[in-house]
Amino acid sequence: DIQMTQSPPSLSASAGDRVNITCRASQTISITNFLNWYQQKPGKAPKLLISLVSNLQGGVPSRFRGSGSGTDFTLTISGLQPEDFATYYCQQTYSVPTFGGGTKVEIK
Amino acid sequence: QVQLQESGPGLVKPSETLSLTCAVSGASISNDDWWTWVRQSPGKGLEWVGEIFHSGDTNYNPSLESRITMSMDRSKNQFSLKVNSVTAADTALYFCASRRIRSRDLAYWGQGTLVTVSS
Repeated sequence: DIQMTQSPPSLSASAGDRVNITCRASQTISITNFLNWYQQKPGKAPKLLISLVSNLQGGVPSRFRGSGSGTDFTLTISGLQPEDFATYYCQQTYSVPTFGGGTKVEIK
Repeated sequence: QVQLQESGPGLVKPSETLSLTCAVSGASISNDDWWTWVRQSPGKGLEWVGEIFHSGDTNYNPSLESRITMSMDRSKNQFSLKVNSVTAADTALYFCASRRIRSRDLAYWGQGTLVTVSS
């Protein structure tokens, strides 16, 4: 199985900040780029933000950006908004799907 | 708009079988999507459980493979999950979702159903 390691597990930030969340795969998932990012709020289902490393889903604000290749991937939120405080998960679907452990973005 | 809705008992006794169903509307389960289960233990992260294709092909989480079975009912446009020999560790919020075949992402999710394993 491909293990996905997210960092940091949590972070505190203020509205307007730029935050980076990283996701490292235990083996390369390049070529296929099957790397997704989800946002989850308490008690709710996850919401797909980005697929194929950098493909922003419809309706998702452009302040969200995905990047990376090989084994290292990043979700960047530029200009954090109050509604962005949530937990974020990466997921690889190159092989048997696995999720990262999550990054909780909290208000400073 | 694809909608998914989980249903099933909220309480299951240890060693018994957990059974959940996901009703799909707005799409046919005979489409080229993988119909997926994801679970989340209280306060924990997301765990991919498994998926089923309209051909009947399945992929299961290796850590659960010996205890789970997924199936489809095309006449009702729904798919199901069974987990045998449950323990407290199977207590979780269970989500069903659809995985798009081209982008391999989970674009549509149900709201989730909480299953507690307790005597």
